Amino acid sequence: AQTVTQSQPEMSVQEAETVTLSCTYDTSESDYYLFWYKQPPSRQMILVIRQEAYKQQNATENRFSVNFQKAAKSFSLKISDSQLGDAAMYFCSTPGYAGNMLTFGGGTRLMVKP
Amino acid sequence: KAGVTQTPRYLIKTRGQQVTLSCSPISGHRSVSWYQQTPGQGLQFLFEYFSETQRNKGNFPGRFSGRQFSNSRSEMNVSTLELGDSALYLCASSADFYGYTFGSGTRLTVV
Repeated sequence: AQTVTQSQPEMSVQEAETVTLSCTYDTSESDYYLFWYKQPPSRQMILVIRQEAYKQQNATENRFSVNFQKAAKSFSLKISDSQLGDAAMYFCSTPGYAGNMLTFGGGTRLMVKP
Repeated sequence: KAGVTQTPRYLIKTRGQQVTLSCSPISGHRSVSWYQQTPGQGLQFLFEYFSETQRNKGNFPGRFSGRQFSNSRSEMNVSTLELGDSALYLCASSADFYGYTFGSGTRLTVV
């Protein structure tokens, strides 16, 4: 079974600045995916970025990038040039290898100050 | 391409009643999974269906059940509702474990 831990319940960032959200996980699988999801007040979970564990290159999607450290089982999310619309809950998750059940961290609430 | 549709969006039920929630996945997606989200427990996996078969089940009592139809639409049922069942219920559809698309959820309030 997988476990996912997000140690920062809340984070705050000034608009246009950079913020990093932390995530650590534990899994017995050697090949797996990792995801960051964003949940705004509208409630819908939106996929922000995904990482395939067998790829050493860190994933990047526009202003969002990850720092994936497989040996340390760490998967942090960096948001550059933060915007007001980035304010939301962010969840780190992994389905493990079985791929049919996501395990989530407890979430980080990101606030963006104008 | 239509997204994942969950109905209803809001529901208020009385303790002891039962409730059925519906989820229509993205066309072509055969996997549908359900999650319960509460402030205290966070996001917890309920169960997952693939081609009408339950492949995996989370640690929830038997009052929680589900099914999937041949068109991949899924329903989950909660019988004998308890106050602690009040939560946001999210459904996700997937073609593979490369990505999951979520619906907007059903907010269930048990009074």
